[in-house]
Amino acid sequence: GNSVTQMEGPVTLSEEAFLTINCTYTATGYPSLFWYVQYPGEGLQLLLKATKADDKGSNKGFEATYRKETTSFHLEKGSVQVSDSAVYFCALSEGGGNKLTFGTGTQLKVEL
Amino acid sequence: DVKVTQSSRYLVKRTGEKVFLECVQDMDHENMFWYRQDPGLGLRLIYFSYDVKMKEKGDIPEGYSVSREKKERFSLILESASTNQTSMYLCASSSGGTLAKNIQYFGAGTRLSVL
Repeated sequence: GNSVTQMEGPVTLSEEAFLTINCTYTATGYPSLFWYVQYPGEGLQLLLKATKADDKGSNKGFEATYRKETTSFHLEKGSVQVSDSAVYFCALSEGGGNKLTFGTGTQLKVEL
Repeated sequence: DVKVTQSSRYLVKRTGEKVFLECVQDMDHENMFWYRQDPGLGLRLIYFSYDVKMKEKGDIPEGYSVSREKKERFSLILESASTNQTSMYLCASSSGGTLAKNIQYFGAGTRLSVL
């Protein structure tokens, strides 16, 4: 079956540091890949997505590239802010279906 | 903006009670989902629905049922609540059609404690 593996948190960074959150996946076909973010006390919201190999999704300074050869979709940001503190979930959707398979989430804490 | 509203942010129930969690979306979405979120386990799909009166089991349906009588409303039912159902419950919806449009929109969640 499908699965998503994320690096464990929490990840603690100083403001303006570079962020990488690793995500790898297992799927039988050609999934679409997503990053969702959950701010404290809120539900999840879509951060970015990529639907085919070599696509790069980007939003709010975050970006991730769909790497089929390494089955990865790592999230990066060049300079994090305190307001980026949240839990980040990597997810995949396969075969035109509507279901998402989520990773376990990575908590990011950004300090001044 | 898409709005997915869950009726309660916090609920405290007793073991054995029947519990209803309600979710309403205002964007005429075909698909609706119920997840539970637990530390270290991420989100796990309980049930989903592609249309009114249709439902399909997700990965962890045991102990739960659902109801979708109207397109905008999707209810999660715990027939006899147990302490291992203490969790955060998240509802989501998405439109049908092409995968590119198939983004799920989430409610703020209901934190359920079963004592």
